[in-house]
Amino acid sequence: GENVEQHPSTLSVQEGDSAVIKCTYSDSASNYFPWYKQELGKRPQLIIDIRSNVGEKKDQRIAVTLNKTAKHFSLHITETQPEDSAVYFCAAGVPNRDDKIIFGKGTRLHILP
Amino acid sequence: SQTIHQWPATLVQPVGSPLSLECTVEGTSNPNLYWYRQAAGRGLQLLFYSVGIGQISSEVPQNLSASRPQDRQFILSSKKLLLSDSGFYLCACLKQGNEKLFFGSGTQLSVL
Repeated sequence: GENVEQHPSTLSVQEGDSAVIKCTYSDSASNYFPWYKQELGKRPQLIIDIRSNVGEKKDQRIAVTLNKTAKHFSLHITETQPEDSAVYFCAAGVPNRDDKIIFGKGTRLHILP
Repeated sequence: SQTIHQWPATLVQPVGSPLSLECTVEGTSNPNLYWYRQAAGRGLQLLFYSVGIGQISSEVPQNLSASRPQDRQFILSSKKLLLSDSGFYLCACLKQGNEKLFFGSGTQLSVL
């Protein structure tokens, strides 16, 4: 089955700098890669996703890149702001096959003033 | 868009007591439904998923069970809770043809 590794587990960046979170996956058949943001005590919220037919996707300050050959994908947050502080999860799966989506262990992002 | 109802928001139960958490979905039909558990400060562990009524796949052997008696209803149960069952339980829904996974508001379960 799918296994998703996420690094780093904790990340501190100065406000205004960029943050990068990296994930690798094991199942070459995976074709859907979402990213979630979770604030303390709340549900994970989908912030961006990418499918295997696309190498990069951008939404304002957030971008995701995918390298299918290497089986890794990354989240990039530019011009970080205090409200970006949260736990971020990557995930991978094949929703139309076995319908499972497997998550990484999360990255706690701290934006320093 | 679909709405996921999950209750209760908070639950405190003694060890050995039964558990029933309910999740219902509105605004979609024949969704894929999921139960995830999140231990304090940890990641999202997939417990069960269902692609249709009566169809349950278990990811982790444990004292929990799941049922899907109706298309838009997913129930997580236990006959006897353990201390290790404490955590944040999240129901999630994947709309057919959409491939986006959305979460309910979660239940914080404390087993004492």
